[in-house]
Amino acid sequence: DAGVIQSPRHEVTEMGQEVTLRCKPISGHNSLFWYRQTMMRGLELLIYFNNNVPIDDSGMPEDRFSAKMPNASFSTLKIQPSEPRDSAVYFCASSRQGYEQYFGPGTRLTVT
Amino acid sequence: GESVGLHLPTLSVQEGDNSIINCAYSNSASDYFIWYKQESGKGPQFIIDIRSNMDKRQGQRVTVLLNKTVKHLSLQIAATQPGDSAVYFCAVAKGAQKLVFGQGTRLTINP
Repeated sequence: DAGVIQSPRHEVTEMGQEVTLRCKPISGHNSLFWYRQTMMRGLELLIYFNNNVPIDDSGMPEDRFSAKMPNASFSTLKIQPSEPRDSAVYFCASSRQGYEQYFGPGTRLTVT
Repeated sequence: GESVGLHLPTLSVQEGDNSIINCAYSNSASDYFIWYKQESGKGPQFIIDIRSNMDKRQGQRVTVLLNKTVKHLSLQIAATQPGDSAVYFCAVAKGAQKLVFGQGTRLTINP
């Protein structure tokens, strides 16, 4: 079975540019999560969706970050404009609601 | 809110020995607890989870123990192998959705 799919795996961009990260959850999972991992702050939940509806976005750092889930098989996390402090590994995870979350391989974002 | 801490940031054990990784949490209302393994360059990999109506759960070579009285969680790995070398995270939530992660313990297996 395919796991959570994320693209791109690596992204290098200049400050001020728009960045879009993509995620395809595991088929049949109805919850989707976006996390950010840094050395300083560890793994932090940014936002999560149940049945394509955003439930909690309290972890989104600021208005420059936005996330969408137009359908059950696709989600995006957008940063506009990007800043060097956004450099991190971004993970998408999915689950059946109330059960264990499965993580994707992550997108390593570098903003110069 | 919830906070999660680990007792040791690093742990080194001999191959074949048992490993115990500990975790403490703050919110007594938390009812879902989960352990992940993360290898370099990869996403966290689910190991085992436990809910607050249990105090022990076993998997293949792993056991999770939950002590709700002192808000303590541990992961035991039996007969550790070189492939067990990784960073191990505990995470805690109410309702299995909004996970709060600890900082992780790096486990090193010595030959």
